[in-house]
Amino acid sequence: EVQLVESGGGLVKPGGSLRLSCAASGFTFNFYTMNWVRQAPGKGLEWVSSITSSSTYIFYADSVKGRFTISRDNAETSLFLQMNSLRAEDTAVYYCAREGLQCSGDTCYSNGFDIWGQGTMVTVSS
Amino acid sequence: QSVLTQPPSASGTPGQRVTISCSGSSSNIGSNYVYWYQQFPGTAPKLLIYRNDQRPSGVPDRFSASNSGTSASLAISGLRSEDEADYYCAAWDDSLRNWVFGGGTKLTVL
Repeated sequence: EVQLVESGGGLVKPGGSLRLSCAASGFTFNFYTMNWVRQAPGKGLEWVSSITSSSTYIFYADSVKGRFTISRDNAETSLFLQMNSLRAEDTAVYYCAREGLQCSGDTCYSNGFDIWGQGTMVTVSS
Repeated sequence: QSVLTQPPSASGTPGQRVTISCSGSSSNIGSNYVYWYQQFPGTAPKLLIYRNDQRPSGVPDRFSASNSGTSASLAISGLRSEDEADYYCAAWDDSLRNWVFGGGTKLTVL
């Protein structure tokens, strides 16, 4: 079964750190770009970060740039998000999501975030 | 506020056809594909439409999408009670070098 399972969420004080993990199974992990998307309570979806299959390209939302670091371990089929200097506005459910790519020559197109984990809750509060 | 603009709510009666709009700009919808996600309360989003108008396997053909210029729309025909959910549009933004989402539309089936 194709599956993503997040872990590592919890309650942390402002200024603190947390490391989220996302364990992938049921598919060839190193073929896919992976993403983190978050959703604050009662709010919409906000993309956080992307990492390509070989970690060649990494992108961050401006709201987390300089504070969050995305990484992956293809041997362990896992995705990570190191979150430092956390703020109250980082409180959200964090989802990892698989992004399929369709490539023709040097051009690749996204097939969207086709597999999502169940999410892990991060609460930043004193 | 969100880079992509969606109406906060939409509604329809069973069997009806409803559309949800998504407005962007030349740096996102105007130059890149649009994606649509469906989310039920307390659950993870699900990919509904990819690359403007493609349905993943398992998504009923009652769901369709189109775009024109810097706007996109999702249409749901033969509305059913189980379609009641939140719907989000998304696109890559070339200027921000970010994925951007719409604020979401809560669909109510009356």
